[in-house]
Amino acid sequence: GQQLNQSPQSMFIQEGEDVSMNCTSSSIFNTWLWYKQEPGEGPVLLIALYKAGELTSNGRLTAQFGITRKDSFLNISASIPSDVGIYFCAGQSGNQFYFGTGTSLTVIP
Amino acid sequence: DGGITQSPKYLFRKEGQNVTLSCEQNLNHDAMYWYRQDPGQGLRLIYYSQIVNDFQKGDIAEGYSVSREKKESFPLTVTSAQKNPTAFYLCASSFTATYEQYFGPGTRLTVT
Repeated sequence: GQQLNQSPQSMFIQEGEDVSMNCTSSSIFNTWLWYKQEPGEGPVLLIALYKAGELTSNGRLTAQFGITRKDSFLNISASIPSDVGIYFCAGQSGNQFYFGTGTSLTVIP
Repeated sequence: DGGITQSPKYLFRKEGQNVTLSCEQNLNHDAMYWYRQDPGQGLRLIYYSQIVNDFQKGDIAEGYSVSREKKESFPLTVTSAQKNPTAFYLCASSFTATYEQYFGPGTRLTVT
C-alpha cells in the first residue's frame, strides 16, 4: 500500500502551547482526513480536506491540504488536557484511504 | 442516534476457532470497511465493500472473510488461517469510497 510518513511520532507539551504535526507521502492524494483516537476507542473524524491548498478550521484545530497534494498539516492552538490522544492522518487514492502511523500527544497541565 | 456499532467490545477465542465480528451502521452509507490496528501502527485495510453483495480485498485480506448481504451490515470472520489474529479491529463506513469515513468503537480480539 501507499506509505504515509507522519511526524512527529510523539509530542509532550505544556497546556496552552500550540501543536503542529504533518503527514507526507511520495504519492498524490485526492482527499486528506485527520482523526483523533483515544485509548480503546475508534478514531473520530476531526477535519476533511478535499482540495489542494484548502485550509479548514474546526474550533482550535486547523488543517491544510498541501499544494503538491503530497502532504497535509494539522495545527492545534492553545492545547488543553483533553487534547491528549493519538492523531492520525489519512490520504485517499483510488478506492482506499491510507493511514499514517499516528502522532501521540501528551499535554502536561 | 445515527452511527456505527460494533459488537462485542472484547472477544476472547481459542486458537483454531473461527470468530465473527459484527458491524452495523444506520447512516445510509453505501461503503463499509474493516481495518486492523496493531500497537504503534497505522490502520491496515482488510476488506471493503462499496455496494451490497460486492466486496474487495484490502492489503491484508489473508485469513479473513466478509459478507455484505444488507446495506447496514458488514460482518468480518477471522478464520483459523489468520496467523496472528490478536488485534484491535475497526469498522468504518462512508457515503462513497472517496468520501470521509466514520469509525465504530472497535472490537478487541484476543486469541490464545
